[in-house]
Amino acid sequence: EIVLTQSPGTLSLSPGERATLSCRASQSVGSNYLAWYQQKPGQAPKLLLYGASTRAAGIPDRFSGSGSGTDFTLSINRLHPEDFGVYFCQHYGSSPWTFGQGTRVEIK
Amino acid sequence: QVQLQQWGAGLLKPSETLSLTCAMYGGSFGGFFWSWIRQSPGKGLEWIGDINHRGITNYNPSLKNRVTVSVDTSKNQFSLNLSSVTAADTAVYYCARKIVEIFPLDVWGQGTTVTVS
Repeated sequence: EIVLTQSPGTLSLSPGERATLSCRASQSVGSNYLAWYQQKPGQAPKLLLYGASTRAAGIPDRFSGSGSGTDFTLSINRLHPEDFGVYFCQHYGSSPWTFGQGTRVEIK
Repeated sequence: QVQLQQWGAGLLKPSETLSLTCAMYGGSFGGFFWSWIRQSPGKGLEWIGDINHRGITNYNPSLKNRVTVSVDTSKNQFSLNLSSVTAADTAVYYCARKIVEIFPLDVWGQGTTVTVS
C-alpha cells in the first residue's frame, strides 16, 4: 500500500500569511489521484482538492494544489481565520486508499 | 443537497460485533460508491471498505476478514459490520460517498464514536 507522509506536523501562522503543506508518497501516485481534505474539531473531513490540483465545488481559489508522482503540495494564500484546522492528503488511485497523518495549521 | 446520516451502537465489549448504518438523503443512491472510514488518535484516518448500489464490495486487506459492508437500495442505506472488536477498533466511524470508485470522498456523514471497553 502507498504510505503518505505529511509535513510539517504543525504550522503556526497568522491570518493573511501563506501556508505550504507537503504530502510525500512512498511510491508514485498514478494519474495524480491525490486529494486534500480539511478537518475542524468535531467535524468530518471536507474535500478541498482532487486530482492534485482541482478544487472541489465551493472551495475558494486561495486553496491550490500542485505536484505529481510522489511529491504534492497544498498552498493556502492569505489565510483566513476559518482556514485553521487539520489538513489531510489521500491517494485514491489504487486500493487500499490511504491517508496522510495530517498537518495542523494553527493560529500563531 | 446530499446528506448522510449515520447511527449505531457507541459502546461495545471486546469480541462483540460493531454495526453501523448510514442513510442517504437528498440525492440519487444508484450509480455511486459508498464508503466507511474510521479515525483514531493512534492510526489516523483509515479506509475500511466500499460498496456500490449493486452490492459490489472492496475492503481494506487489513480488516477484510472481519468486515462486511452491505447495501439496501430500497431504503437508500448501507451498513457496516465489524466482528470480534477489540480496543484497537475504538474510533470515530464515518460513512461517505464517492462519485465513482476512483474518486475521493465528497460527502461525509457526521461520524459515530465507537468505544470498545
